[in-house]
Amino acid sequence: GDSVTQMEGPVTLSEEAFLTINCTYTATGYPSLFWYVQYPGEGLQLLLKATKADDKGSNKGFEATYRKETTSFHLEKGSVQVSDSAVYFCALKKAGNQFYFGTGTSLTVIP
Amino acid sequence: NAGVTQTPKFQVLKTGQSMTLQCAQDMNHEYMSWYRQDPGMGLRLIHYSVGAGITDQGEVPNGYNVSRSTTEDFPLRLLSAAPSQTSVYFCASSYSGQGAGYTFGSGTRLTVV
Repeated sequence: GDSVTQMEGPVTLSEEAFLTINCTYTATGYPSLFWYVQYPGEGLQLLLKATKADDKGSNKGFEATYRKETTSFHLEKGSVQVSDSAVYFCALKKAGNQFYFGTGTSLTVIP
Repeated sequence: NAGVTQTPKFQVLKTGQSMTLQCAQDMNHEYMSWYRQDPGMGLRLIHYSVGAGITDQGEVPNGYNVSRSTTEDFPLRLLSAAPSQTSVYFCASSYSGQGAGYTFGSGTRLTVV
């Protein structure tokens, strides 16, 4: 069945380090792919998305490219800040509004 | 502000009590869902609706009821609360269409004692 697999956390980085959070998916057809961020005590917020192969989503310095050949949508940021500490969720959406979420990756950035 | 509004933010129930978690959105989204979030389990879909008058079960529907009488509102009812229902509950809505992402509410933290 359709699913999303994220790298296990937690991830701890020093400020200004490079961030990669891996996400791979299994799906038939042509899903859209999303990254959501959840700050402590809050709901999930859409961070970025890509709707077709080779699209790059970007927002707030974060980027992810929809790679159909490797069924991946890895999240990257060149220089993380303390304020980026949060839980990050990868998700896919298929026709019929079916969403599938990964289990989330916790990121802590230390000064 | 436009968005998804959930009430209450916090609730403590005794085992066997019933209650309704409220969810309202003002974006005219057709699709609404309820998720629960538990440590190490990610998000699990409880119920969803593709439009007013239409609801369906998700992954973990037992012990919960929903209804969708209007486009805006999608309440979640706990029929007889159990400690296993202690969780954080999120309501989310979206337009139909593959590229449309969810907008989430801020959550209801429920404790059943």
